[in-house]
Amino acid sequence: AQSVTQLGSHVSVSEGALVLLRCNYSSSVPPYLFWYVQYPNQGLQLLLKYTTGATLVKGINGFEAEFKKSETSFHLTKPSAHMSDAAEYFCAVSRYAGGTSYGKLTFGQGTILTVHP
Amino acid sequence: DADVTQTPRNRITKTGKRIMLECSQTKGHDRMYWYRQDPGLGLQLIYYSFDVKDINKGEISDGYSVSRQAQAKFSLSLESAIPNQTALYFCATTDGTGEAFFGQGTRLTVV
Repeated sequence: AQSVTQLGSHVSVSEGALVLLRCNYSSSVPPYLFWYVQYPNQGLQLLLKYTTGATLVKGINGFEAEFKKSETSFHLTKPSAHMSDAAEYFCAVSRYAGGTSYGKLTFGQGTILTVHP
Repeated sequence: DADVTQTPRNRITKTGKRIMLECSQTKGHDRMYWYRQDPGLGLQLIYYSFDVKDINKGEISDGYSVSRQAQAKFSLSLESAIPNQTALYFCATTDGTGEAFFGQGTRLTVV
């Protein structure tokens, strides 16, 4: 079984400040990890993903995340927040097992990011 | 055009009514999913299908059914809607890594 925990359902930052959204996962096999963003009244869109290779992954809109196996973490960061970053962010995990879990995503509960002027 | 299209986008229905939510995708992937989103709970998997002949229950399948009419089409039905099924519903399809492509969602209200 796999699970995802996002620490903090709400995060508030000032414009220009560092954004840090925390995600920890559990998985019995090497995971594939994802961050999705949801703007109001829209579906989810991919920010970035880790499958194999380099553990520091860069995504769209200046976001990046680092896969740390020893800490079972995949925290999302952005050096300088912009007002347009205000949205809900979801961390998700899937795993390749060649079986029925292949491609099936498990999501965290989401973190709402608020950016203050 | 969107890769994953859901209809309707909004629906209000009465308790006890049958309702169908439809989803079609142009990504060409075999795997399709229906999720439900409630505030503070993230996305919960209702049903998933790995090909036309393969349908599987997710975490919260009670009260729901699905039909995979073709590779590109996957519909979700509420046989007898109840108020606690009021939620935002998403259809998705995934590629070989599990990266998901989502529809815009259907906001369903059961009164």
